[in-house]
Amino acid sequence: DVKVTQSSRYLVKRTGEKVFLECVQDMDHENMFWYRQDPGLGLRLIYFSYDVKMKEKGDIPEGYSVSREKKERFSLILESASTNQTSMYLCASRPRDRGLENTEAFFGQGTRLTVV
Amino acid sequence: AQTVTQSQPEMSVQEAETVTLSCTYDTSESDYYLFWYKQPPSRQMILVIRQEAYKQQNATENRFSVNFQKAAKSFSLKISDSQLGDAAMYFCAYRRVHDMRFGAGTRLTVKP
Repeated sequence: DVKVTQSSRYLVKRTGEKVFLECVQDMDHENMFWYRQDPGLGLRLIYFSYDVKMKEKGDIPEGYSVSREKKERFSLILESASTNQTSMYLCASRPRDRGLENTEAFFGQGTRLTVV
Repeated sequence: AQTVTQSQPEMSVQEAETVTLSCTYDTSESDYYLFWYKQPPSRQMILVIRQEAYKQQNATENRFSVNFQKAAKSFSLKISDSQLGDAAMYFCAYRRVHDMRFGAGTRLTVKP
């Protein structure tokens, strides 16, 4: 089974702190994603990466950065945490498309981050 | 960016009955993929069903089926014989080559 592991299930940080959210997948997937989930807004894409050292902005990249130094690990960084970044963060991975195969994304269990 | 709209924030169904969750999306592309995911209270996102835009036949997975209307850009999920374990948030998702966009979700309650 594919496993996507997020380093923390719950996290409490102070305003202004630099925060690292880590995500590791064990299935050699090329694509990895970070979403934030808020009530009434669903999942919004922050950043994604389709290969090592590659990154692309999603819909809400402001205040975030990412790092993908190894294929299995995709880190989300909050440079200076703010209270409006309190949210649920979901990591996902997916293999590269090969032909017409419709590949699904596999998700971690989420990190509920509270910034106080 | 492509948008995905789920117009029903909450839905309720009686156990053993059928319920349909709505989803519309906006795209100018002809090749793409659509998904329904379920998120129970455990927070783990689980794939329910998938559909390729180039396929005219609607996807079916046991009690779950979709009504895919490409021209209308509509992708609804039908749950037959609803069970208590179907209670969850349901998200519709649209995928292109790399990224995937989600709707705001529909919270489904199943009444015994």
